[in-house]
Amino acid sequence: AQRVTQPEKLLSVFKGAPVELKCNYSYSGSPELFWYIQYSRQRLQLLLRHISRESIKGFTADLNKGETSFHLKKPFAQEEDSAMYYCALSGNDYKLSFGAGTTVTVRA
Amino acid sequence: DVKVTQSSRYLVKRTGEKVFLECVQDMDHENMFWYRQDPGLGLRLIYFSYDVKMKEKGDIPEGYSVSREKKERFSLILESASTNQTSMYLCASSSGHPNTEAFFGQGTRLTVV
Repeated sequence: AQRVTQPEKLLSVFKGAPVELKCNYSYSGSPELFWYIQYSRQRLQLLLRHISRESIKGFTADLNKGETSFHLKKPFAQEEDSAMYYCALSGNDYKLSFGAGTTVTVRA
Repeated sequence: DVKVTQSSRYLVKRTGEKVFLECVQDMDHENMFWYRQDPGLGLRLIYFSYDVKMKEKGDIPEGYSVSREKKERFSLILESASTNQTSMYLCASSSGHPNTEAFFGQGTRLTVV
């Protein structure tokens, strides 16, 4: 069984402050991990995936297999980062599971 | 540009009705998914399909069934709608590899009265 846990439902930060969204997972095999973002009234879309090892919109995420975590980080939050963020896991059987999501509000 | 299109944006149905939600993708993707999205619960997987006529139960399949007769179309069926199935339903598709991006439809907000 695979499971994705996002412990924070809400996160509020000031503009320019660092932001970190936590994601923990459980999966017996070798998972593929993703972060998806949903702006208000828009479709869910991919933000980044661990296999790409790239920074998107200033966000990075590192897969830590020892701690089974895939936390999302950005050193300086911007107002346009206000959105809902979902961590997701894909296993060898093509099943794509999501966490409960974290709503981020960046205050001016 | 990948397009995943859900047939309705809003639906209102009565308790006990049979409800069909349709999803079509135009990128020849092997995998298709149905989720429901509820505040505080995130996206919960109802069913998914990795090939035509193939289907797998997700985490909350009770009260739902699916059909995939053609590669581009994945239908979600509520056999007898109930008020606790009032939700936002999201369809997604992806190509055959687990590390590929999933593309989402705009969602169908279903209200069962």
